[in-house]
Amino acid sequence: LAKTTQPISMDSYEGQEVNITCSHNNIATNDYITWYQQFPSQGPRFIIQGYKTKVTNEVASLFIPADRKSSTLSLPRVSLSDTAVYYCLVGEGYSTLTFGKGTMLLVSP
Amino acid sequence: EADIYQTPRYLVIGTGKKITLECSQTMGHDKMYWYQQDPGMELHLIHYSYGVNSTEKGDLSSESTVSRIRTEHFPLTLESARPSHTSQYLCASSDVGGNEKLFFGSGTQLSVL
Repeated sequence: LAKTTQPISMDSYEGQEVNITCSHNNIATNDYITWYQQFPSQGPRFIIQGYKTKVTNEVASLFIPADRKSSTLSLPRVSLSDTAVYYCLVGEGYSTLTFGKGTMLLVSP
Repeated sequence: EADIYQTPRYLVIGTGKKITLECSQTMGHDKMYWYQQDPGMELHLIHYSYGVNSTEKGDLSSESTVSRIRTEHFPLTLESARPSHTSQYLCASSDVGGNEKLFFGSGTQLSVL
């Protein structure tokens, strides 16, 4: 399974764009990259998933370079409610997905 | 939104009691998981299932057991609860496929006194 590395924590202010980068140097050909968000005392929630290039939905964008050894989750104009832990996972349908420590994002007024 | 339910939401119980944490999903997903998470720590996979009558142990050794008699139901049982079992237990499900997307329940916060 591809191991991921993310910053432990990040700080931002309301209205700013936040970019969280995840390294996954040994990603396999069939692996997808998926990001989850977790609030305290809740289960993680799916944010976005991609295989290559750029993916955008109503919540975030995911940028994946050609070598796929890293990915960047971009949250536009964050608000206080975006304060959460963000996890980057790499894997495919028949693997058991492993959560790392994630990135604790703190958004301040 | 995902339709995956866990009960109870909170459970406080004495040492030595047998407990079962319930998890049900209405999405027809074949794959189901149990994760364990302590406050501020990462999630650890303790059990998973590929479908009916399939159960596997995860990365973290656990004294709990699971069963999968029906597609929608994946209960977790502790035969004799101990204080070391105090944690949050999260159930998840997904379709078997190339781009796995996990849906999580709200979790059960277990406290063993």
